[in-house]
Amino acid sequence: DTAVSQTPKYLVTQMGNDKSIKCEQNLGHDTMYWYKQDSKKFLKIMFSYNNKELIINETVPNRFSPKSPDKAHLNLHINSLELGDSAVYFCASSQDSGNTQYFGPGTRLTVL
Amino acid sequence: GDSVTQMEGPVTLSEEAFLTINCTYTATGYPSLFWYVQYPGEGLQLLLKATKADDKGSNKGFEATYRKETTSFHLEKGSVQVSDSAVYFCALSTGGYQKVTFGIGTKLQVIP
Repeated sequence: DTAVSQTPKYLVTQMGNDKSIKCEQNLGHDTMYWYKQDSKKFLKIMFSYNNKELIINETVPNRFSPKSPDKAHLNLHINSLELGDSAVYFCASSQDSGNTQYFGPGTRLTVL
Repeated sequence: GDSVTQMEGPVTLSEEAFLTINCTYTATGYPSLFWYVQYPGEGLQLLLKATKADDKGSNKGFEATYRKETTSFHLEKGSVQVSDSAVYFCALSTGGYQKVTFGIGTKLQVIP
């Protein structure tokens, strides 16, 4: 059983396009996150939602917009993609913010 | 603000060698401390954690002890295997709605 799943696993697209990444968790957790991992493996938090409410919103371009339709889902929409957006994006969840996080397998985004 | 400092790597060891990856932290209050591991092509997964001073976390032969006096949480393993090759992240959480702070990750390569 997949605990945290993301789709798609790979995403290759042209600059200027708009794309979405979906995330679902079946752990019953209250809190979900989006992270960006660059080519040097540095992990940066982007957003966090608790029970569908935004609780962490780090300094990311407003081209990135998270949406949480329910507490099991947290999607990430990216407008006007740029070369610098190329990275691996990880979704994660935890029971209460700050506890052990369970990560999805990642989505490798390549912007050409 | 909270921060985690860990050695940059890569660390290259021969099979059966002793492993230490240093991690020190700065935080307000009494954080929980974590080690996460990321195998190639996968998301992060919890390796071990400790929630209070002098606690020792252990899993799969890895150990780390929460040292409040030195603000450290060094990861050790007595005899590494090729299958331990991965990137290791030290992290802390002060709970509530605070984000989890990750270190930069240390790449470990074990050669036969």
